[in-house]
Amino acid sequence: GENVEQHPSTLSVQEGDSAVIKCTYSDSASNYFPWYKQELGKGPQLIIDIRSNVGEKKDQRIAVTLNKTAKHFSLHITETQPEDSAVYFCAAKGDTGGFKTIFGAGTRLFVKA
Amino acid sequence: GAVVSQHPSRVICKSGTSVKIECRSLDFQATTMFWYRQFPKQSLMLMATSNEGSKATYEQGVEKDKFLINHASLTLSTLTVTSAHPEDSSFYICSASRTGNTEAFFGQGTRLTVV
Repeated sequence: GENVEQHPSTLSVQEGDSAVIKCTYSDSASNYFPWYKQELGKGPQLIIDIRSNVGEKKDQRIAVTLNKTAKHFSLHITETQPEDSAVYFCAAKGDTGGFKTIFGAGTRLFVKA
Repeated sequence: GAVVSQHPSRVICKSGTSVKIECRSLDFQATTMFWYRQFPKQSLMLMATSNEGSKATYEQGVEKDKFLINHASLTLSTLTVTSAHPEDSSFYICSASRTGNTEAFFGQGTRLTVV
């Protein structure tokens, strides 16, 4: 079945450094790739997304890249701040299979002040 | 972004009782809503997908008679955990999409504790 792998599971960076989280997906029919940030005890919050007809998208300190041929997509956070500390989930979704969103296992990001 | 409100945020109930969780899309009409369960330090596990006016589609291994889902309007879906047991204690999260293939917005989650 569909699968999304996410690495690393834990990431610790110094404030101001960049953080990169990588995901791969298995279903070639996936065409929508959202990223979510989840803080403790809260629901996931959509922070950025990218569709399969685009290779890169940027929103202030956050950027996402997509390599559809290799089925890779990555989240890049620059100039990290302590408030970026959270769990980040990548996900993949297609137009078939009931439009299910398949989530990665999550990356726990720690930004040290 | 769109706002999805989930209520209650926390609930404690006794074993054997039923609990209803509401998920509302506040500023858009949600054709499709999803219900997830999340265990500590784990990813989201999809329980079921519901389309307005239709019966929910449950994932393999999820008991439809235990987790009753109703999506009677374009702005409200409910999940009822029937005859709750301690092993049903978990974090339940809903999400809503305008249509099936558009972005999904999540509720705040509901922490259910069954004692």
